[in-house]
Amino acid sequence: QKEVEQDPGPLSVPEGAIVSLNCTYSNSAFQYFMWYRQYSRKGPELLMYTYSSGNKEDGRFTAQVDKSSKYISLFIRDSQPSDSATYLCAVDPNTGNQFYFGTGTSLTVIP
Amino acid sequence: EAGVTQSPTHLIKTRGQQATLRCSPISGHTSVYWYQQALGLGLQFLLWYDEGEERNRGNFPPRFSGRQFPNYSSELNVNALELEDSALYLCASSSRSRDTEAFFGQGTRLTVV
Repeated sequence: QKEVEQDPGPLSVPEGAIVSLNCTYSNSAFQYFMWYRQYSRKGPELLMYTYSSGNKEDGRFTAQVDKSSKYISLFIRDSQPSDSATYLCAVDPNTGNQFYFGTGTSLTVIP
Repeated sequence: EAGVTQSPTHLIKTRGQQATLRCSPISGHTSVYWYQQALGLGLQFLLWYDEGEERNRGNFPPRFSGRQFPNYSSELNVNALELEDSALYLCASSSRSRDTEAFFGQGTRLTVV
């Protein structure tokens, strides 16, 4: 079983829609969770970082961690064409900074 | 503030050759991580350097090696290149105090022909 599993998509939504991106992870001991955004031909950009359970909000973005089900989500409100990118979830097992990444979900927001 | 910089942007090598990729971390960051992102796959952890020492290594053969210099910049060397080494190689850096927040460079696209 992989440490992190992510829906690959691709996902295509109209501008203004609410987007839900999801990952599951395997080890209940994981406590640090990240979301990265990667535009085509660019390096990943850190979007959100959460510790343990709960929600974290930053503008139109909300990261949610449900440790009971080992599920992490990223919600994007009022999606914009500029949000079109690949979104990567990641976990930090805190055992040597070897982050585990999902394979990424490709999102296209159609104007 | 300058971000993580990587060079070269693109690199084309022949099978069997050696490739050297370079990374300069964000000023003040002491940790450097290398990841491989092959087409259709997620980021695969290669190496972690901190304070000049190799701290952790991913599940890659020994022909993938590297080092970190006193100024915290880093090199990744890939010997005896194989076609399947073609990928985007990403470097990230972080500081000791906030080591979960890793910031990535733009990557080096290595093509092996």
